[in-house]
Amino acid sequence: GQQLNQSPQSMFIQEGEDVSMNCTSSSIFNTWLWYKQEPGEGPVLLIALYKAGELTSNGRLTAQFGITRKDSFLNISASIPSDVGIYFCAGQGEGGTNAGKSTFGDGTTLTVKP
Amino acid sequence: GAVVSQHPSRVICKSGTSVKIECRSLDFQATTMFWYRQFPKKSLMLMATSNEGSKATYEQGVEKDKFLINHASLTLSTLTVTSAHPEDSSFYICSARLASSYNEQFFGPGTRLTVL
Repeated sequence: GQQLNQSPQSMFIQEGEDVSMNCTSSSIFNTWLWYKQEPGEGPVLLIALYKAGELTSNGRLTAQFGITRKDSFLNISASIPSDVGIYFCAGQGEGGTNAGKSTFGDGTTLTVKP
Repeated sequence: GAVVSQHPSRVICKSGTSVKIECRSLDFQATTMFWYRQFPKKSLMLMATSNEGSKATYEQGVEKDKFLINHASLTLSTLTVTSAHPEDSSFYICSARLASSYNEQFFGPGTRLTVL
């Protein structure tokens, strides 16, 4: 099946620093999604990417859909304590049996020190 | 908009009992809902895809007789863990897909199941 490699697994940063995380896949995806999950909650969608090369921002968050369609990155600028959580990438393949189904990365746990 | 709820948020049950978890799309109709399982500090594992009015599609390795899914309406899907055992203890999360947005899924807050 499709697999995503998400890195880094965890990050410990100082408030105000920028953060970068990425996902790579052996398969081509036609959609990349980035989610944030806080303890005891479901994931919340941050950014959705639909086209290769697309660069999209949501406040201090910026994500890009890689040209090869096999990777994506998420950047967080000027981190603040409330950015703490687990960030997941998710890729969606082309149609057929995988239509609309997301494959999730293993997550990046972000800790921000005030 | 696009709010998904789950009930209950937490449940503790005895081994051998069955537990039903509800997933509702509160302000939209969802023809498709997904059920995930998440272990501590792990990623989300898709269990099954639930389509309104038809049988659920289960992922490889997920026992359909163990995890019964019913999607009786456009706003409600249920997951029943039958004859639960301690190894079924986990965080179960549903998501719903807007009919108008093929790719975006909106997640519920999850249900923490503990089987004693």
